[in-house]
Amino acid sequence: GQQVMQIPQYQHVQEGEDFTTYCNSSTTLSNIQWYKQRPGGHPVFLIQLVKSGEVKKQKRLTFQFGEAKKNSSLHITATQTTDVGTYFCALYNTDKLIFGTGTRLQVFP
Amino acid sequence: DAMVIQNPRYQVTQFGKPVTLSCSQTLNHNVMYWYQQKSSQAPKLLFHYYDKDFNNEADTPDNFQSRRPNTSFCFLDIRSPGLGDAAMYLCATSRYQGDTQYFGPGTRLTVL
Repeated sequence: GQQVMQIPQYQHVQEGEDFTTYCNSSTTLSNIQWYKQRPGGHPVFLIQLVKSGEVKKQKRLTFQFGEAKKNSSLHITATQTTDVGTYFCALYNTDKLIFGTGTRLQVFP
Repeated sequence: DAMVIQNPRYQVTQFGKPVTLSCSQTLNHNVMYWYQQKSSQAPKLLFHYYDKDFNNEADTPDNFQSRRPNTSFCFLDIRSPGLGDAAMYLCATSRYQGDTQYFGPGTRLTVL
């Protein structure tokens, strides 16, 4: 079946440092979604990317969809302790959402 | 206001003792999903309903069943829980297949 890999698996950063997680698919994607899950919490939708090469920003978060629509990235500028959590990319395969493996972000004050 | 509600938030059951988890939604969404999430893993889809149409994932154990008596409610029944079924169970909804999913807070199941 379709697999979605994310790297890195874990990332520890000092508060104020930048952070990037990458999402790679074995097949071309029609769209990609990003979710954030806080420790002990549930996934919360962040954004959806549809167009090749698309870049979207949400305050300190920048989301990018690759030109070939096989990869995506999430970049956080100047991390804060509130950014702690696991970030999942996810894609729809027919009628179901397939989650990436996730990147767990830890921010040290 | 909570949009996807799951009860209970924590459930402890004994090995082999049936348990039912519930999910309700105030969004009037057509699709409801049940996921299983184990520690440090991504959510894994068990099944979903599009309206009354039930869709079971091929690798979902027969031990897991679901009911959707109306648009607002969906239940997950685990007939004979095993130790390996201990996990967080997440309910989610979406307006239609392919749309954003809204997750409930989850039910953490412990099997003794």
